[in-house]
Amino acid sequence: DGGITQSPKYLFRKEGQNVTLSCEQNLNHDAMYWYRQDPGQGLRLIYYSQIVNDFQKGDIAEGYSVSREKKESFPLTVTSAQKNPTAFYLCASSPGQGADRQFFGPGTRLTVL
Amino acid sequence: GIQVEQSPPDLILQEGANSTLRCNFSDSVNNLQWFHQNPWGQLINLFYIPSGTKQNGRLSATTVATERYSLLYISSSQTTDSGVYFCAVVIYNFNKFYFGSGTKLNVKP
Repeated sequence: DGGITQSPKYLFRKEGQNVTLSCEQNLNHDAMYWYRQDPGQGLRLIYYSQIVNDFQKGDIAEGYSVSREKKESFPLTVTSAQKNPTAFYLCASSPGQGADRQFFGPGTRLTVL
Repeated sequence: GIQVEQSPPDLILQEGANSTLRCNFSDSVNNLQWFHQNPWGQLINLFYIPSGTKQNGRLSATTVATERYSLLYISSSQTTDSGVYFCAVVIYNFNKFYFGSGTKLNVKP
């Protein structure tokens, strides 16, 4: 099946720990994106990557880091510097390097205990 | 930055009713998408519609780019239409999407 997978579905973390969220796509899309969604809110862009080995900060990048070593993978690390990391995290991809139509993964719910 | 405003923020319908959701944006765009977020959080693509009108079954969408708004029509609503509807836009020369805050729809049987 073609699509975008995110793992884990649920993640619990203690304060002060770094945690990495996985995002994989087998759609051969060039661009990938990470968003954060808080309850009752819209999506806010954390980081995006238009091509392998390149990525740009979005609107709320502080406390997060990413890598894009392979076209199909775009992991997000939530660091201890992120003051309020509890949220729903969504990964998306687009066919072109520009902001073409986006397709979303199922999301990861992160809870900091 | 660009402002994306959706209305109404909340909508309650009886099954079978029709509705219109609106998305206003503050700048010229070259991309606009409508999404449905189901109760499990998954975002489903509904329309890619930077301009013009499209229809898909009971749903249709119209974007008037020159007047900076888009409309999503839902006809003969069903309980499975419940969830949150988002519009997202891309402004010219920028390679990222801006999302509205959504319209939460509850269709009652």
